[in-house]
Amino acid sequence: GDSVTQMEGPVTLSEEAFLTINCTYTATGYPSLFWYVQYPGEGLQLLLKATKADDKGSNKGFEATYRKETTSFHLEKGSVQVSDSAVYFCALSVDTGGFKTIFGAGTRLFVKA
Amino acid sequence: GAVVSQHPSWVICKSGTSVKIECRSLDFQATTMFWYRQFPKQSLMLMATSNEGSKATYEQGVEKDKFLINHASLTLSTLTVTSAHPEDSSFYICSASQGTGNNQPQHFGDGTRLSIL
Repeated sequence: GDSVTQMEGPVTLSEEAFLTINCTYTATGYPSLFWYVQYPGEGLQLLLKATKADDKGSNKGFEATYRKETTSFHLEKGSVQVSDSAVYFCALSVDTGGFKTIFGAGTRLFVKA
Repeated sequence: GAVVSQHPSWVICKSGTSVKIECRSLDFQATTMFWYRQFPKQSLMLMATSNEGSKATYEQGVEKDKFLINHASLTLSTLTVTSAHPEDSSFYICSASQGTGNNQPQHFGDGTRLSIL
């Protein structure tokens, strides 16, 4: 079945460090890929998305590229800030006659000043 | 834009009580709404998909008589946890989508923390 696997956390980084959170997926058909972020005490919000192979989604300094050949959608940011501390969820959405979104387990990021 | 309001944000009640959670799309029409359950430090588990004017589609293992979902309009879906017990304590999150294609992102409510004593 369709699934999303992302690296386990927590990930702890110092401010201005480079961030990579790995995400790979399995899917029948041609999914759209998303990264959502959940800040402490808040609901999820869309961070970025990509809907076809080689698309790059970007927002707030984060970016991820839809890699069909490696079935990956790794999240990167060149210089993290304390305010980036949150839980990050990789997700895919597939057409099931309507559609269904499948989430990864989430990766908690702590950024130290 | 694309704001989803979920109410209440926190409920504490006695075992055996039924609890209703509302999910509203404030500035768009949501053809599809989703209900999730999130356990501590875990991912979201899809409970059901709700389409306006039709019966909800429940995921395997989710009791439809326990978790009643109504999607009466394009801006409102409700989840009622009937005869709630302590094991139903969890964080419930709704989301809504503006379109029907799989390229549409979901817009999430802030969640409802349900505690059953």
